[in-house]
Amino acid sequence: AAGVIQSPRHLIKEKRETATLKCYPIPRHDTVYWYQQGPGQDPQFLISFYEKMQSDKGSIPDRFSAQQFSDYHSELNMSSLELGDSALYFCASSFRQGRGTDTQYFGPGTRLTVL
Amino acid sequence: QQQVKQSPQSLIVQKGGISIINCAYENTAFDYFPWYQQFPGKGPALLIAIRPDVSEKKEGRFTISFNKSAKQFSLHIMDSQPGDSATYFCAASATNAGNMLTFGGGTRLMVKP
Repeated sequence: AAGVIQSPRHLIKEKRETATLKCYPIPRHDTVYWYQQGPGQDPQFLISFYEKMQSDKGSIPDRFSAQQFSDYHSELNMSSLELGDSALYFCASSFRQGRGTDTQYFGPGTRLTVL
Repeated sequence: QQQVKQSPQSLIVQKGGISIINCAYENTAFDYFPWYQQFPGKGPALLIAIRPDVSEKKEGRFTISFNKSAKQFSLHIMDSQPGDSATYFCAASATNAGNMLTFGGGTRLMVKP
């Protein structure tokens, strides 16, 4: 079965640079969530999109922005990178379509290292 | 404030034994409680999930027990195997609050051969 695809898998950036992370949800899934997982920590919710519209925001810094495109893929844009942004970034997708609680399936993650 | 508290932080079990991980939550709006398994450098993989209208759910060697009045739920792994060695996260979400997952702190399970 098709899974969530994330690219790149690994990314190394310098401080103050920008980074773009991409997420391709499972086919026919209409909702995308972004999570950040620091070393030895649990994933923290950043932002979500339902049917290409922003749905909810969590602890996402103002330096970060995201969007969901017409083909349902999503991109997380990160600017003015800081050392503390080094983490695993996960995208999860689900099929919500107004049904209420949805089951989220996670991608393999993008490991971002800021030097 | 951690909305979902998970214990223990680490657990060592002998092969064939039972692994038990507990979680407690504060937010009574939570109405969906999944468990995820994560291997190093990989994404969390859904193991099993429960909704508050049932007190127990079993899938293979994995069982969730749910106590709504105590706001607690637990994962039992029967006949634990070395391949079960991973980090386990409980999580919770609320349908009326965007469905984003709030995770527990994780339990690192090691199953000794």
